Parts: sequence; structure tokens; C-alpha cells
Amino acid sequence: KNEVEQSPQNLTAQEGEFITINCSYSVGISALHWLQQHPGGGIVSLFMLSSGKKKHGRLIATINIQEKHSSLHITASHPRDSAVYICAVRSTGDDKIIFGKGTRLHILP
Amino acid sequence: GAGVSQTPSNKVTEKGKYVELRCDPISGHTALYWYRQSLGQGPEFLIYFQGTGAADDSGLPNDRFFAVRPEGSVSTLKIQRTERGDSAVYLCASSLSGSGNTQYFGPGTRLTVL
Repeated sequence: KNEVEQSPQNLTAQEGEFITINCSYSVGISALHWLQQHPGGGIVSLFMLSSGKKKHGRLIATINIQEKHSSLHITASHPRDSAVYICAVRSTGDDKIIFGKGTRLHILP
Repeated sequence: GAGVSQTPSNKVTEKGKYVELRCDPISGHTALYWYRQSLGQGPEFLIYFQGTGAADDSGLPNDRFFAVRPEGSVSTLKIQRTERGDSAVYLCASSLSGSGNTQYFGPGTRLTVL
């Protein structure tokens, strides 16, 4: 079993829909990252969380440390949001970053 | 300011050849990370530098892989006797220091071993 699991693996939605991507992890962590990767492009860091909730524009990230779960929400989704969204955690045991496999999001116009 | 840059953007080589992949981190960032991302997978940690020294190289898959950062800025990932299984996108990231700081990723180098 992967230490970081994301769901769904793939998501197609219509423009304007509210999007939720989930991340569950099984290790103790000091921080959780949400990353965005466009086809052919590099990775952009969206959020780094250790507790609570952060908001940036149409993006909201939440984390529940007790439940070892985080969600990334996109409000009023747009085709330019189409990308792979990756959850990554920094484990407290060995201070390594462990990545999920990513969620491929496709927003239709 | 300039972000993390990686060269080349694409590299095609034959099985058994030697390749070098270069990473230019953000100026002033002391921490530098190499990751490998295979198709459909999340990135996989390879090695982490703090300054000139490799603080953690436990992710290097075998002794064909080696990385250096002689002056604490630019880093080179070296792969000897490449195998088809080495085909992947090799990502570099840098951060201001180590633990707890946001990592900034480069665009990656897509390595294809024929």
C-alpha cells in the first residue's frame, strides 16, 4: 500500500464545477504539499500545510491531522486548471518527501 | 527572478551510454533535490544536497547513478551505462534551506533510453 494515496486518479468536469481532490497518508508528517504539474511543464507548488486551511484565489486546501487527510478544492473551475495535481508529505521519521501518484484533472469548456 | 532551470529539456540516448543532466537552482538556495518521475507515477526521491554535500543519497537506485554539486549551486546528475528502465523525467528542485521550506521545481529533463 502506498504511503500517500490520492483520489480520484482521473477527473473530468465541466467548466464552472466545484472540484475536490483527496489525499490520505499513513505516516507521521511535518508538512503536506499540494503541487500542480501541467503537461510538458514543471511542477508548481500550490500550498504547504501543517494544519487548518489555506486559500489562494480559487484554490482552497485543508488538512485534518487526526484523520491524516487533506483535500484540495477548486471553485469555479476553468479549462486552464487542467493539470495533474500531486499531494506530497514530508515524513517526520526520515524527513523525506513522499509523493502521491497524482490526480489528472481535465476541465471541459 | 529566475527560477530553477534544467538542461537539456530532452535527452535521447542509446542503451549503455553515459548521460549528464544539469540543474541550476534559484540563487541563494542551499538545498537541492533530484527526483525521478516515471509515466503515470508521482515523483520519486533520488538525492538531496545541503550546500556541496549530499545529505541524503538513499534514493539513488544503484551505483550507476551519481550526483555532484561541487560549488554548492549547480548540480549534475550522472547516469552510467544507461538502461531502458532509466527513461523518465528527472526533476530538480531547490529550497532556501532544508526541512520546512517550499521546494521550487524546474521543468525537468525527459530522458529516453532506446
